[in-house]
Amino acid sequence: GQNIDQPTEMTATEGAIVQINCTYQTSGFNGLFWYQQHAGEAPTFLSYNVLDGLEEKGRFSSFLSRSKGYSYLLLKELQMKDSASYLCAVGTYKYIFGTGTRLKVLA
Amino acid sequence: DADVTQTPRNRITKTGKRIMLECSQTKGHDRMYWYRQDPGLGLRLIYYSFDVKDINKGEISDGYSVSRQAQAKFSLSLESAIPNQTALYFCATRQGLNQPQHFGDGTRLSIL
Repeated sequence: GQNIDQPTEMTATEGAIVQINCTYQTSGFNGLFWYQQHAGEAPTFLSYNVLDGLEEKGRFSSFLSRSKGYSYLLLKELQMKDSASYLCAVGTYKYIFGTGTRLKVLA
Repeated sequence: DADVTQTPRNRITKTGKRIMLECSQTKGHDRMYWYRQDPGLGLRLIYYSFDVKDINKGEISDGYSVSRQAQAKFSLSLESAIPNQTALYFCATRQGLNQPQHFGDGTRLSIL
């Protein structure tokens, strides 16, 4: 079967670093995507990992371990605007999404 | 202008009505998807299409049908709407396997 697990909610302080984990089980794997979704809005693409290791994009980094079925999204220098849900998605020609992690950034 | 456009943005209707949600894109992508999003359940795939002649069921296709009228257009229909189909619906497009999905702004559908 296919399954993705993410924490439901996290809270962090402005300026801090937060790590959002994603574990998955899937019958087919071509890559793992992270999306950001503000309340009531469309998801927007953040990062993509297909090989093991760390991908860095400004304040955002994403890590993948295919052997462990594990990824994390690292957000540095948190800003209030980072308050959103973060969705992990895995698959091949079709993707399965996790239920998302709602991040609250406090002043 | 948005690359992926969904219409309507909001719709309130009654149980038993037939409803069509439309999606059009200017990105030139072959792959198009319909999802619904419910609180606590994340995005769930309803149908997807890789070209005009290719339609595939997703995780939760019961009660829904789709039509791919052209490369740029992919419509979702609820033949006889029921209240548990109340949700936020998203259309998405994608260029290829290693490319991200691009989402429309969503249609908020309420069935009374």
